[in-house]
Amino acid sequence: GAVVSQHPSRVICKSGTSVKIECRSLDFQATTMFWYRQFPKQSLMLMATSNEGSKATYEQGVEKDKFLINHASLTLSTLTVTSAHPEDSSFYICSASNERGTRTYEQYFGPGTRLTVT
Amino acid sequence: GIQVEQSPPDLILQEGANSTLRCNFSDSVNNLQWFHQNPWGQLINLFYIPSGTKQNGRLSATTVATERYSLLYISSSQTTDSGVYFCAVEGMNRDDKIIFGKGTRLHILP
Repeated sequence: GAVVSQHPSRVICKSGTSVKIECRSLDFQATTMFWYRQFPKQSLMLMATSNEGSKATYEQGVEKDKFLINHASLTLSTLTVTSAHPEDSSFYICSASNERGTRTYEQYFGPGTRLTVT
Repeated sequence: GIQVEQSPPDLILQEGANSTLRCNFSDSVNNLQWFHQNPWGQLINLFYIPSGTKQNGRLSATTVATERYSLLYISSSQTTDSGVYFCAVEGMNRDDKIIFGKGTRLHILP
């Protein structure tokens, strides 16, 4: 149980275009999803937390107009990187949790999306 | 915010050896998880362990919340155990976010 998928696994796009990454919880309802960014050989950096049906909460320094997050259903959240630039190239990972309210999140991670902007 | 320190940063062991990975945190936590990131980038849940001891096969973990540390034990290491081990904590305050340590990079030699 607790399987999370992410699509695409790898994407190459040109500078100035937008890219959408999907995160799905396959066998449970995810009330909360998290989006992370990871640079090579570094730890995960939390970008934003999204709760189903409400606006995402972005971490300090993360541009909400550049990284659009939508959590329209209990099984799907999307991250859209708008007007991508080479510095946006990174490994993006989502995680899903089915806990809320108590603020204790047991997270299950997707396999990640490697974005390369040329 | 909470500081999370993992040690050692790197560890190279022969197959069959045992190891202990440590995660120190600077304040009380609501939540602590251990993850294994394999060489392909996938993060795998190992333990959800804000306190106490848990075991799963060759792996076990202990969190001593009062002393602000957690230990991950790997026994009889296999090459498939290679990768990066992260601990992640969530603080007690409402505005606390989930913080990942920098990880321990484990390489098991055949």
